Amino acid sequence: DIQMTQSPSSLSASVGDSVTITCQASQDISNYLNWYQQKPGKAPKLLIYDASNLETGVPSRFSGSGSGTEFTFAISSLQPEDIATYYCQQYDNLPRTFGQGTRLEIE
Amino acid sequence: EVHLVESGGGLVKPGGSLRLSCAASGFTFGSQTVTWVRQAPGTGLEWVSSITASSSYIYYSDSAKGRFTTSRDNARNLLFLQMNSLRAEDTAVYFCARGGGYFDFWGQGTPVTVSS
Repeated sequence: DIQMTQSPSSLSASVGDSVTITCQASQDISNYLNWYQQKPGKAPKLLIYDASNLETGVPSRFSGSGSGTEFTFAISSLQPEDIATYYCQQYDNLPRTFGQGTRLEIE
Repeated sequence: EVHLVESGGGLVKPGGSLRLSCAASGFTFGSQTVTWVRQAPGTGLEWVSSITASSSYIYYSDSAKGRFTTSRDNARNLLFLQMNSLRAEDTAVYFCARGGGYFDFWGQGTPVTVSS
């Protein structure tokens, strides 16, 4: 199975800050990497697909980059509604695997 | 508008069975791969199973293989997850989601608790 390692596991930042989350795959997954946002008690929401493509309707302050084994997810100008847990997920291979999540809090 | 609504969750004893359903609307269900993902309490997301549009291919996680069966009824826009021989570690919220690579729409989830 492809292991997905996210860092950090938690993050605290202020409104207006820029934040970055990284995701490392245990093997080359090309750009088959997605990012989700999950708020407490809610279903995950797709934000970024294929490493860098913004899902329709997602604010442009969210972005993704990377390929191969190293990926980055960024939020520019953090907003209060961005409080959530963020997950990366690979689909280069079965089983589909998720990172362990990054919990984002507002200071 | 795409909607996915899961049902069928509940409390079941270890070794018991449960059948989850996911009702889809707002898209051509019969043309899409759909997937089950679960989330144990306080933990992350775990892919469980995916089924292609015409049920030609059905894939399972190692934890689901041999105990869970995924099926679909394209005429009724329904996805199913038959879960047998349930264990405490199957306790989770079960989500259905559209897609097999990336999951662009999700249901609200149905909770399954396996406990005596």
